[in-house]
Amino acid sequence: SQTIHQWPATLVQPVGSPLSLECTVEGTSNPNLYWYRQAAGRGLQLLFYSVGIGQISSEVPQNLSASRPQDRQFILSSKKLLLSDSGFYLCAWCRDRVFDEQFFGPGTRLTVL
Amino acid sequence: AQSVTQPDIHITVSEGASLELRCNYSYGATPYLFWYVQSPGQGLQLLLKYFSGDTLVQGIKGFEAEFKRSQSSFNLRKPSVHWSDAAEYFCAVGVSGSARQLTFGSGTQLTVLP
Repeated sequence: SQTIHQWPATLVQPVGSPLSLECTVEGTSNPNLYWYRQAAGRGLQLLFYSVGIGQISSEVPQNLSASRPQDRQFILSSKKLLLSDSGFYLCAWCRDRVFDEQFFGPGTRLTVL
Repeated sequence: AQSVTQPDIHITVSEGASLELRCNYSYGATPYLFWYVQSPGQGLQLLLKYFSGDTLVQGIKGFEAEFKRSQSSFNLRKPSVHWSDAAEYFCAVGVSGSARQLTFGSGTQLTVLP
């Protein structure tokens, strides 16, 4: 069966510090991968998606970036965090070539102080 | 571009009462529709989905939803709510194409009173 992991679960970082959040998927190949941010009391905002290794599409211009160095690994990064980057970050995947549900990871709670 | 509206930010019901959460979408073609549930501090879990066919779909945990094209709605229902149903519920519309992106509503927070 497929599983999705996110690391770390919780992170507290000072403003201006770098960020690296990792998402890995097991049990499938060539998935579509997605990064969402959920601010307190708000819905999910799609940040990035990837349909293959090295292929990244950005939905919202910001100081975040994403990379996909391996088929089942998706990384969210920042060189300098802002207060507004605080939130709950969710990674998701769905199967390639068929339209189906997205499967979500457990999320990372990021607090920028 | 597609959009999803969940007009109720917060709903409170008593345990055992019936529940209906509203969802309206805007999309030019036949939509793919989803309902997800999120417990505090957790990821999202799929309750049910509609792609085509029977407009009344059954999901997990006793939930169902009805697709009404004429009203552009996909409301979620449950005949008898349990205390464990307290969570946040998100409606989403899917877009066909290689990226298969989902657009989410802003969510409805459900409180269940004993």
